[in-house]
Amino acid sequence: DTGVSQDPRHKITKRGQNVTFRCDPISEHNRLYWYRQTLGQGPEFLTYFQNEAQLEKSRLLSDRFSAERPKGSFSTLEIQRTEQGDSAMYLCASSRTSGGQETQYFGPGTRLLVL
Amino acid sequence: AQSVTQPDIHITVSEGASLELRCNYSYGATPYLFWYVQSPGQGLQLLLKYFSGDTLVQGIKGFEAEFKRSQSSFNLRKPSVHWSDAAEYFCAVGTRYNNNDMRFGAGTRLTVKP
Repeated sequence: DTGVSQDPRHKITKRGQNVTFRCDPISEHNRLYWYRQTLGQGPEFLTYFQNEAQLEKSRLLSDRFSAERPKGSFSTLEIQRTEQGDSAMYLCASSRTSGGQETQYFGPGTRLLVL
Repeated sequence: AQSVTQPDIHITVSEGASLELRCNYSYGATPYLFWYVQSPGQGLQLLLKYFSGDTLVQGIKGFEAEFKRSQSSFNLRKPSVHWSDAAEYFCAVGTRYNNNDMRFGAGTRLTVKP
């Protein structure tokens, strides 16, 4: 069990550019979550997948954001036309649903800075 | 929807002293409760969780938490703090009906004095 991994760990981009983050969940975890965390706040839910299906999206997820999990394994989160307000830590978590008692395990996060 | 309040934004304790971090939740039924710890620039590490059963839960790194339904609380405790415990601590609440909808508190930053 190697844990959840995320790539890159840090990303600096200019406003208007597109960025893509990758998350590799714990193997055999069927659920994968994306969260956004700003300074001084707890993580806020963005979206989640069960296997390859995207089951829920937060209203925080504007049209500029898109997430995929094409084969039910790794996931990507793309932000198009980045804005300074997108600067945040983007966290990925995975879990295995088991009798309704689900625990999410988090990756190290990708810190995005939009200049 | 459920919610979490962590009343203390920042706590400072001396190394070796005891610690209690407060967490209050709002939810009409029995919640699922979690404590996570985050070191600067890092992701969240699970300390402990409560689903059901014994209301006193033991976690990693010597932490424990107690679920008190009457007070809607799930406070985190440690009898003797180590300098390495300095970090941000987050309480989170999920539900047995929709555990993907997990809500986090704003966090409590712990500083440990030598």
